[in-house]
Amino acid sequence: DIVMTQSPDSLAVSLGERATINCKSSQNVLYNSNTRSHLSWYQQKPGQPPKLLIYWASTRESGVPDRFSGSGSGTDFTLTISSLQAEDVAVYYCQQFSSSPYTFGGGTRVEIK
Amino acid sequence: EVQLVESGGGLVQPGGSLRLSCVGSGFTFSGYWMHWVRQAPGKGLEWVSHINTGGDSTTYVDSVKGRFTISRDNARNKVYLQMNSLRAEDTAVYYCVRSRGGFDYWGQGTLVTVSS
Repeated sequence: DIVMTQSPDSLAVSLGERATINCKSSQNVLYNSNTRSHLSWYQQKPGQPPKLLIYWASTRESGVPDRFSGSGSGTDFTLTISSLQAEDVAVYYCQQFSSSPYTFGGGTRVEIK
Repeated sequence: EVQLVESGGGLVQPGGSLRLSCVGSGFTFSGYWMHWVRQAPGKGLEWVSHINTGGDSTTYVDSVKGRFTISRDNARNKVYLQMNSLRAEDTAVYYCVRSRGGFDYWGQGTLVTVSS
């Protein structure tokens, strides 16, 4: 199974500042012969289901603000919130969709400093 | 508008069974893989199972293999999760999820509580 490790566990950032979350997979998450990394990022607010932010490591889902960006390939990935807003307080998860079981990282809680 | 609505959760004793259902609307249901993802109270997300578009390929997380069965009825736009031999550690909110490049639509979830 591919193990997804996120860091840090929690993060406090001032409004308008940059937040960076890291995700490392125990194996490469390229999908078959596809050159795309099957790595997704989700945002979950209390009492709500997760929301897809980024897929294929760097493709922003429709309607997601452009302050959210994803980068990385192979086994190391990053979610960046370029200018933190109050509504971005949430738990963020990475997930690999390369091979079953489609494992999630442990989550990173983002708060306002 | 894409919607996924789960049902069938509730309180069950250890060793008991439940069948979760999820109905999809607002999209061509038969064209998408479907998944169940669960979240124990106060914990992170755990992928549970997937089923392909035709229903002839399924996978499971090791902890539920042999106990849970995923199936789908494309004529009724439904996906199911039959859960047998339930354990306390299966207590969680169970989400029905559609996948494309990522897991792009999630239901609101249904709570399963396994307790005596």
